[in-house]
Amino acid sequence: GENVEQHPSTLSVQEGDSAVIKCTYSDSASNYFPWYKQELGKRPQLIIDIRSNVGEKKDQRIAVTLNKTAKHFSLHITETQPEDSAVYFCAAEGNAGNMLTFGGGTRLMVKP
Amino acid sequence: DAGVIQSPRHEVTEMGQEVTLRCKPISGHNSLFWYRQTMMRGLELLIYFNNNVPIDDSGMPEDRFSAKMPNASFSTLKIQPSEPRDSAVYFCASSLIIALVKNTGELFFGEGSRLTVL
Repeated sequence: GENVEQHPSTLSVQEGDSAVIKCTYSDSASNYFPWYKQELGKRPQLIIDIRSNVGEKKDQRIAVTLNKTAKHFSLHITETQPEDSAVYFCAAEGNAGNMLTFGGGTRLMVKP
Repeated sequence: DAGVIQSPRHEVTEMGQEVTLRCKPISGHNSLFWYRQTMMRGLELLIYFNNNVPIDDSGMPEDRFSAKMPNASFSTLKIQPSEPRDSAVYFCASSLIIALVKNTGELFFGEGSRLTVL
């Protein structure tokens, strides 16, 4: 089945700096890669996703890039703010269809 | 829509007791997922239903776990007997899948049920 690795597990940045979280996946047939944000004690919520027919997608301060050849994708947050502090999960859809495998999560801390 | 509704939000029970977690998906969604979240293992998919039919239960840890979806608006996850290692947050999520294969839609998670087994 699909295996998703996520790095780093924790990331601390100064407010205004950029943050980058990287994920790799194992199933070359995967074609859907969402990112979820989970604030402390809350539910995970989708913040951005990308499908394999594009290499990059941007939404205001967040962007995701995908390299299908290397089987890795990344989340980029620019001009970080304290409210960006949360755990971020990447995920990939495996060849079984419609089932997401999540990475281990990255705890992002933005220091004011 | 109120979103995915889970109950109870918190449950504390003793080892050996039966635990039943409940989920009401978003109206109109045709797929339902049960996930378990722990610090050690992250978010693990336990079981996935499509149109009330279990499609993949390979993530269910052992026979003590069972899940049902008797209709489109209700699902249960049952643990019997419960053990301390079952302590976790259990999330239910739903989505609308247009095609059964390779067309994942956005997952909408419930608030989760935090289970503590003493």
